[in-house]
Amino acid sequence: DIVMTQSPDSLAVSLGERATINCKSSQSVFFSSNNKNYLAWYQQKPGQRPKLLIYWASTRESGVPDRFSGSGSGTDFTLTISSLQAEDVAVYYCQQHYSIPITFGGGTKVEIK
Amino acid sequence: QLQLQESGPGLVKPSETLSLTCSVSGGSFNNITHYWAWIRQPPGKGLEWIGSIYYSGSTSYNPSLKSRVTISVDRSKNQLSLKLTSVTAADTAVYYCARHGTIGTLYDWFDPWGHGTLVTVSA
Repeated sequence: DIVMTQSPDSLAVSLGERATINCKSSQSVFFSSNNKNYLAWYQQKPGQRPKLLIYWASTRESGVPDRFSGSGSGTDFTLTISSLQAEDVAVYYCQQHYSIPITFGGGTKVEIK
Repeated sequence: QLQLQESGPGLVKPSETLSLTCSVSGGSFNNITHYWAWIRQPPGKGLEWIGSIYYSGSTSYNPSLKSRVTISVDRSKNQLSLKLTSVTAADTAVYYCARHGTIGTLYDWFDPWGHGTLVTVSA
């Protein structure tokens, strides 16, 4: 199984400041035949279902604000919220879909400082 | 707009079988050539992929649960179902159904998700 490790477990950021979440996979999730990283990011607000933010490591889902961005390749990935808003308080998960079983990171809780 | 809704008993006794249904509206299994998935989340914890089924019926399961899981699809009712046998307290979780994001591939993200249903395993 590919193990997804997120860091930090939680972080508190002031409104308008940058939040950075890291995700590391135990093996590469880059598929050279199509030049894509099989890595997605989700946002889960309290009491709600997960919501897809980013796929292919850096492609923003339709309707997702452009303050959310994904980067990285191979085994190391980052989700950045460029200017934290109050509505961004949530737990964020990365997910690899490179191999079965599909696996998720443990989550990073983002709060307002 | 595609919508998914999970349903089933909220309480299951240890050693019994957990059975859930996911009703799909806003689209038909016959016309949506995607994989469909079950994912669970224990209270206060992270997400675990249980398994997925293609609209045609072929399945893929998480090896950690494979011996206890059956996922099926009823195309006439636009429903998929989950059965998990011999449950224990460790199976207590919110269970979500979700569609894989891309046509025809198992190796995929999940979008959209149902709202989830909490199943508690307790005597």
